[in-house]
Amino acid sequence: ETGVTQSPTHLIKTRGQQVTLRCSSQSGHNTVSWYQQALGQGPQFIFQYYREEENGRGNFPPRFSGLQFPNYSSELNVNALELDDSALYLCASSLGGVVDNEQFFGPGTRLTVL
Amino acid sequence: AQSVTQLGSHVSVSEGALVLLRCNYSSSVPPYLFWYVQYPNQGLQLLLKYTSAATLVKGINGFEAEFKKSETSFHLTKPSAHMSDAAEYFCAVSDRGTNAGKSTFGDGTTLTVKP
Repeated sequence: ETGVTQSPTHLIKTRGQQVTLRCSSQSGHNTVSWYQQALGQGPQFIFQYYREEENGRGNFPPRFSGLQFPNYSSELNVNALELDDSALYLCASSLGGVVDNEQFFGPGTRLTVL
Repeated sequence: AQSVTQLGSHVSVSEGALVLLRCNYSSSVPPYLFWYVQYPNQGLQLLLKYTSAATLVKGINGFEAEFKKSETSFHLTKPSAHMSDAAEYFCAVSDRGTNAGKSTFGDGTTLTVKP
């Protein structure tokens, strides 16, 4: 069974640029959730994708967008990067539609915005 | 809206001592509750979860937590700390049902274990 993987592991961008982060879900999972973890804080829910459709969104502006592909892998896109976007971005996969489901996290992508 | 408060951003114990990490939640309906551990430069690993079965939940690595509705608490304990327990611990809450992936997390507690 393959776990959740994320790429790249580290990324440095400058203000105003755009970035795409990638996540491969665990085998058999159809749901991916994205979280932002700023330094010294807990993860904050960005949005979730279930069977290629957005299935809930946290308090993040529209410049944070995502996609889920037919193989259930996912992308997080951030436009017009700001300094405060510097954080660890975590994705988690789960089996949607199952009661008492559990999410499994990837190792994260560390984004630094200069 | 749900929220989680973790009391104490840093906890330090001696090896072999009791570990107690505090978590209080706010939710309009009985939620699901989780404890996760995060080691440096890694993602989060689930320690245990409460989903309305037994109020005392046993997890991995000797950890357990007790759901107390009257106190809106879900504190994490371990009878005897080990050096390998040093890490960041997060309490999280989500709606009941199938929404583990839309969790609200606390700000975390850093556990230090002294030899």
